[in-house]
Amino acid sequence: QTVVTQEPSLTVSPGGTVTLTCASSTGAVTSGYYPNWFQQKPGQVPRALIYSTSNKHSWTPARFSGSLLGGKAALTLSGVQPEDEAEYYCLLYYGGARVFGGGTKLTVL
Amino acid sequence: EVQLVESGGGLVKPGGSLRLSCAASEFTFSNYFMNWVRQAPGKGLEWISSISSSSSYIEYADSVKGRFTISRDNAKNSLYLQMNSLRVEDTAVYYCARGGLDIDYWGQGTLVTVSS
Repeated sequence: QTVVTQEPSLTVSPGGTVTLTCASSTGAVTSGYYPNWFQQKPGQVPRALIYSTSNKHSWTPARFSGSLLGGKAALTLSGVQPEDEAEYYCLLYYGGARVFGGGTKLTVL
Repeated sequence: EVQLVESGGGLVKPGGSLRLSCAASEFTFSNYFMNWVRQAPGKGLEWISSISSSSSYIEYADSVKGRFTISRDNAKNSLYLQMNSLRVEDTAVYYCARGGLDIDYWGQGTLVTVSS
C-alpha cells in the first residue's frame, strides 16, 4: 500500500518562510507524480493551490510556490500571512490511482 | 463561475447502498476528468475514484474497489457514485472535484453516515 507522508505540523512566524514536504513510500517524487497541493481551513472545502509540481491556479497567491526538493514535492510559503494558518494536503499521481498525504497543520504564531 | 453541487448523502445502515450525484455547471463538463474524494470526520482527504471525460478510463482506491462504482452522464452534466456494501468506516463527507492531473474546483460536499 502506497503511503504519502507529510509533516504532521509546522509553526511559522508572520512574515516568515516555511517549506512543507510530501514524500512517497515508493521512492523519490518526480514531476511524473504531478504533485498537487491543497489548502483547507476548518469547516471549509479544500482549495487548490498548485498543480503539476509548480503551476499555480489563477487564484493562488504569489507567496505560494511548488517545487521538487531532495526527492520530495515541496510547497513553500514566503512572507506568511495569518490567514495562511490551515491544513495543507499534497496529492500524488501513481499512473492511475491518486494518493493524498496525511496533511500538514500549519500554525502561524 | 464553475459550480459542483453534490447530493444524495444521508444516514444508511451497514451493508446498505446509497447513490451520490454531482451536478456540474458553468463549464463544459464533457471535457473534464472528474473525481470523488472523501473526508472522514476529523481526518484527512482520501481520493476514492476518478473517471475520464468519455468514461473510458476509471480508477478506484483499494478501499472502495468492488463496492463503489463511478459513472457520469455528459448529457446531464452529472457525475455519480454508487456505493454498495457500505461500512461504518465509509462515514465521511464526499466531495466531487474537477480535473485529471490538475484538480481545481471542488463541490461543497455531501455527508454520508453509515450507522446502525
